[in-house]
Amino acid sequence: QLVLTQSPSASASLGASVKLTCTLSSGHSSYAIAWHQQQPEKGPRFLMKLNSDGSHSKGDGIPDRFSGSSSGAERYLTISSLQSEDEADYYCQTWGTGIRVFGGGTKLTVL
Amino acid sequence: QVQLQESGPGLVKPSGTLSLTCTVSGDSISSSNWWSWVRQPPGKGLEWIGEIYHSGSTNYNPSLKSRVTISVDKSKNQFSLNLSSVTAADTAVYYCGAVPAAINAFDIWGQGTMVTVSS
Repeated sequence: QLVLTQSPSASASLGASVKLTCTLSSGHSSYAIAWHQQQPEKGPRFLMKLNSDGSHSKGDGIPDRFSGSSSGAERYLTISSLQSEDEADYYCQTWGTGIRVFGGGTKLTVL
Repeated sequence: QVQLQESGPGLVKPSGTLSLTCTVSGDSISSSNWWSWVRQPPGKGLEWIGEIYHSGSTNYNPSLKSRVTISVDKSKNQFSLNLSSVTAADTAVYYCGAVPAAINAFDIWGQGTMVTVSS
């Protein structure tokens, strides 16, 4: 079964960096994912598509502070030079044959 | 610039049918996108409902498949969601989204519409 696992919460200080993790279920370590950001009281926004080799393509207007990387079944979203507006929920998303799946989301708090 | 806008009743009675429409602007619904629906119950995460391609091909979340129908109206550049036999558990913000077949990721989202199931 295709499942994405995310830690429920993370925190980091203003100006620092943070690395969020999304883990693919067993047997799916080669899958690409996408990262989406949802700021409070807003709809989601596409950040990037992230491949298993770590290559990624970002959405329009996404700052260079956002980057992605991969290792095995884990997919990472790194946000550097944290700003207050980065406080949001971050969801990973993947797909299989005839199905799309979201992770449970990570709530990022900027201290 | 592609934009999506959800519309439909904000209140649906239990056992009734939830019906929403997503209007696509800035792109043709016949483009190479899967047109998708996602929902988010209050305080919870995102749940994929299903999707349609302009050819009429559909995919549905297995957990909702028996109650969901997604259709497309090319003449209006719209696609629609029908969810039958609703209960309070279907109360959520409903989003429509565009998923380019080339990348398989939601790259455009609507702003969302809140639907409450209550008598």
